[in-house]
Amino acid sequence: DTEVTQTPKHLVMGMTNKKSLKCEQHMGHRAMYWYKQKAKKPPELMFVYSYEKLSINESVPSRFSPECPNSSLLNLHLHALQPEDSALYLCASSAAGATNEKLFFGSGTQLSVL
Amino acid sequence: AQSVTQLGSHVSVSEGALVLLRCNYSSSVPPYLFWYVQYPNQGLQLLLKYTSAATLVKGINGFEAEFKKSETSFHLTKPSAHMSDAAEYFCAVSGVGETSYDKVIFGPGTSLSVIP
Repeated sequence: DTEVTQTPKHLVMGMTNKKSLKCEQHMGHRAMYWYKQKAKKPPELMFVYSYEKLSINESVPSRFSPECPNSSLLNLHLHALQPEDSALYLCASSAAGATNEKLFFGSGTQLSVL
Repeated sequence: AQSVTQLGSHVSVSEGALVLLRCNYSSSVPPYLFWYVQYPNQGLQLLLKYTSAATLVKGINGFEAEFKKSETSFHLTKPSAHMSDAAEYFCAVSGVGETSYDKVIFGPGTSLSVIP
């Protein structure tokens, strides 16, 4: 299994809602990532988990809260988002730290904040 | 500071023509370099990566890239474009400039169109 699975594929939420994005991989990868991608733009790194510990937080607002419950799962909890947070949220994994390892990406969650 | 630049946000080629997508990085130390492709409504997929074992790197779907330290470049080529190559292409680096080796930073991307 060489897939990274993201759910849901689409999400519409109001600014007062709380929702979560889920990412799962069963490749035994020990590094997992959240990226945010606006239309026609490159992915922007948000968080990196290495061996289930948060190793990089790219100064992301606290309304985004990551969680890595185990080595296969990565969540992104959303609360009180703003319309400008509407974007494609991509999860990725790699065997270890990025270095020269291949990143495996999920298909993303398209988030719309109303 | 931007670590990766891609010249040309949009490139159009005819089917069967040479594809050349440009990537330059800013570092005095050779970084790790990658090319990723993103098809509509999908995540990114690795085409190839530079590992310092060879300057000419071959990837999937007939793509290859050449690492040129003197030019700080890692351009992507394909001899003959196919309609299915139409997608967004991202050059990426890790371990350069402001990045640590846990960060992969993507260039701005080049949208490739293939004309029948």
